[in-house]
Amino acid sequence: GENVEQHPSTLSVQEGDSAVIKCTYSDSASNYFPWYKQELGKRPQLIIDIRSNVGEKKDQRIAVTLNKTAKHFSLHITETQPEDSAVYFCAAYITGNQFYFGTGTSLTVIP
Amino acid sequence: NAGVTQTPKFQVLKTGQSMTLQCAQDMNHNSMYWYRQDPGMGLRLIYYSASEGTTDKGEVPNGYNVSRLNKREFSLRLESAAPSQTSVYFCASSDTGVDFGPGTRLTVT
Repeated sequence: GENVEQHPSTLSVQEGDSAVIKCTYSDSASNYFPWYKQELGKRPQLIIDIRSNVGEKKDQRIAVTLNKTAKHFSLHITETQPEDSAVYFCAAYITGNQFYFGTGTSLTVIP
Repeated sequence: NAGVTQTPKFQVLKTGQSMTLQCAQDMNHNSMYWYRQDPGMGLRLIYYSASEGTTDKGEVPNGYNVSRLNKREFSLRLESAAPSQTSVYFCASSDTGVDFGPGTRLTVT
């Protein structure tokens, strides 16, 4: 099956700096890559996603890039704010199969 | 539109007791999932159901059973709870992305 690896496991940045979280996947059949944000004690919520026919997608301060050849995708958060502090999960999906999640990145934004 | 709902929100069991976690979604999604989340372990798939009438094992199915009662409902049963099953359980459904329920915090003593 698919294997998704996520790095780093923890990340601390100063408020206003950028944060980058990287994921790799193993199965070239994966065609959909969502990112989730989980605040403490809450459920994971979708923040951005990208499909395999797109190389980059942006939504205000967050962006996701996908390199199908290298089988990796990344989440970029610019101008970080304290409310960005959370655990972030990447995932890879194969149509008709299941979602495979990374192990999460705990992001702390220091005011 | 309530999305994905789960009951109960909290539960404490003694070793050997049984219980069923209930999940329902009102988004007409075909696929439904049960995950467990433990500190440092991310989200691990227990079982999933790609459509009504089908279920498949995920990464950690031992000690659990599931029932896809209809398109809306997907329940998770612990027949004989063990302390290793202490965790937060999330039900989810998907069309494109995954929508998660609020979670059930289960403690087995």
